[in-house]
Amino acid sequence: DAGITQSPRHKVTETGTPVTLRCHQTENHRYMYWYRQDPGHGLRLIHYSYGVKDTDKGEVSDGYSVSRSKTEDFLLTLESATSSQTSVYFCAITPANREDVADTQYFGPGTRLTVL
Amino acid sequence: AQKVTQAQTEISVVEKEDVTLDCVYETRDTTYYLFWYKQPPSGELVFLIRRNSFDEQNEISGRYSWNFQKSTSSFNFTITASQVVDSAVYFCALLPNNAGNMLTFGGGTRLMVKP
Repeated sequence: DAGITQSPRHKVTETGTPVTLRCHQTENHRYMYWYRQDPGHGLRLIHYSYGVKDTDKGEVSDGYSVSRSKTEDFLLTLESATSSQTSVYFCAITPANREDVADTQYFGPGTRLTVL
Repeated sequence: AQKVTQAQTEISVVEKEDVTLDCVYETRDTTYYLFWYKQPPSGELVFLIRRNSFDEQNEISGRYSWNFQKSTSSFNFTITASQVVDSAVYFCALLPNNAGNMLTFGGGTRLMVKP
């Protein structure tokens, strides 16, 4: 258990509405990540953070923004949700005491988002 | 560019059978890391193993074993004497040393173990 919680766990929204997903951790992990999971694609990196206010884009960042104003929270925002953003979203961390970026990533429980 | 291929999208076995899940990867980096994760029906992702490209020793953990072959760019996963609880989607993933933090996942293999 990497001490990660995600909220909400399920959300249904309409096209065009803004949506924010929250990833919260209590163990001072420096590296945090957002992935989306779609059938046949495995998981794909959206954005990641290597510290407070330090973020970078991943493979599928279009249509998403992130913010990290505190170590414990990493927010993923869909400014104007589209049906193609219907997916399961996972947050992940690299443990704080092992900051080799090639180290293992541990995942939160996921958020299932449906955009109608 | 990095790529991970799990050609078997779905495998069905009967309990106690052995099963091997294939993983083939592509990278130009000479230093990289390979991972396997398990996703049971409950949906969470469970880390199983991490290997670096300089360690080609096979690894065994209980009923699980992994065969890493650099010559064929493969990192295959075998479950011996499968059990119903092994039913899950299994993902192979690649992290090249020069890819920052970007894990590249395969599409996953759904394993169904029938009693």
